[in-house]
Amino acid sequence: DTGVSQDPRHKITKRGQNVTFRCDPISEHNRLYWYRQTLGQGPEFLTYFQNEAQLEKSRLLSDRFSAERPKGSFSTLEIQRTEQGDSAMYLCASSIGGNTIYFGEGSWLTVV
Amino acid sequence: AQRVTQPEKLLSVFKGAPVELKCNYSYSGSPELFWYVQYSRQRLQLLLRHISRESIKGFTADLNKGETSFHLKKPFAQEEDSAMYYCALSGGNQGGKLIFGQGTELSVKP
Repeated sequence: DTGVSQDPRHKITKRGQNVTFRCDPISEHNRLYWYRQTLGQGPEFLTYFQNEAQLEKSRLLSDRFSAERPKGSFSTLEIQRTEQGDSAMYLCASSIGGNTIYFGEGSWLTVV
Repeated sequence: AQRVTQPEKLLSVFKGAPVELKCNYSYSGSPELFWYVQYSRQRLQLLLRHISRESIKGFTADLNKGETSFHLKKPFAQEEDSAMYYCALSGGNQGGKLIFGQGTELSVKP
């Protein structure tokens, strides 16, 4: 499968722990996006990168959230001191410039 | 404010009936509009975008700037059309990021 891949697919963590999600975009896609989706809602934009530069961050992205794309290829999204409200699906997507955005299958986070 | 509204959470129709999934948007400028679909246990995927003016799997959508709408239509629904449908917009200078509606679940009954 040469699509966007995300790891892990599911994560259960205790409140207060840190979690990290990884996203591998489609090869040669220069843009990479992170979204969050909760039950009954559409995906909400969190942040995006063009190559290694983080160009925009949503106000949804609190100080506990940090995203990186150090070499302009894969990206990580870390959530520190998780809270129950962080429970959601975290979606990664990639594109070439402003062309079609392709989504991964998502990483489910449950904070207990 | 930039917003996409899908007023129906669930739309249930019988096979062969016409389908219209509603989408209204709020955006100051010239947005690009999309419909994404998510079939059961599959990833979100692009169904169609307004600039391409294509018909995909029998679905069409016309951008109505006067009514700020981008409704998705299909004349004869099939059972395999059952899925979650999300309307989304992208602004011209927003790096391609998408703003999604809440989604409409389409259920096509035999």
